[in-house]
Amino acid sequence: DTGVSQDPRHKITKRGQNVTFRCDPISEHNRLYWYRQTLGQGPEFLTYFQNEAQLEKSRLLSDRFSAERPKGSFSTLEIQRTEQGDSAMYLCASSLVPGGTDTQYFGPGTRLTVL
Amino acid sequence: TQLLEQSPQFLSIQEGENLTVYCNSSSVFSSLQWYRQEPGEGPVLLVTVVTGGEVKKLKRLTFQFGDARKDSSLHITAAQPGDTGLYLCAASQWTSYGKLTFGQGTILTVHP
Repeated sequence: DTGVSQDPRHKITKRGQNVTFRCDPISEHNRLYWYRQTLGQGPEFLTYFQNEAQLEKSRLLSDRFSAERPKGSFSTLEIQRTEQGDSAMYLCASSLVPGGTDTQYFGPGTRLTVL
Repeated sequence: TQLLEQSPQFLSIQEGENLTVYCNSSSVFSSLQWYRQEPGEGPVLLVTVVTGGEVKKLKRLTFQFGDARKDSSLHITAAQPGDTGLYLCAASQWTSYGKLTFGQGTILTVHP
């Protein structure tokens, strides 16, 4: 068990470009979450999957954002036509349910900078 | 909208001092978690509390969940420079399917 991994760790892009991030959860964890964290704030929920089904999306997730988890294992988060306001740390977390507390374990995050 | 109020936002203390961080809400939570985050890294889980009135200890850290499951505290005894970091409380409700709501965080600096 190597924990939650995210790739890339850092991404610098120009406004208007598309970017895609990958998250590999802890093996056998059936829930996967995406959060966004801006400087000086706690993470904010974006969306989550149970297995391959995307069950909830935040209003923060505009039409330019799309997330997938095609085989119920790894997940990708794509941002189209990036804007400077998209600059943030994108965090992925996974958990196993039923597991009592649904404790979430976070990856190291992908830091996105939009120029 | 469920909100978690975390205080203080900043804490700067000397090595050896004690401190307490508070996490409060008007909502009832099914569970509450405390995380510690280093710059440029993801949050690392410290503890999960699920039972009202529950107290958990992790070395010099003591975590308490309020009887009404609306608040929590983190107490650090004899703080060390290695305790420096961002401390986050996060909670979920029974109806939110595990989605976490985070407090704003407490930036702790422990000076040698």
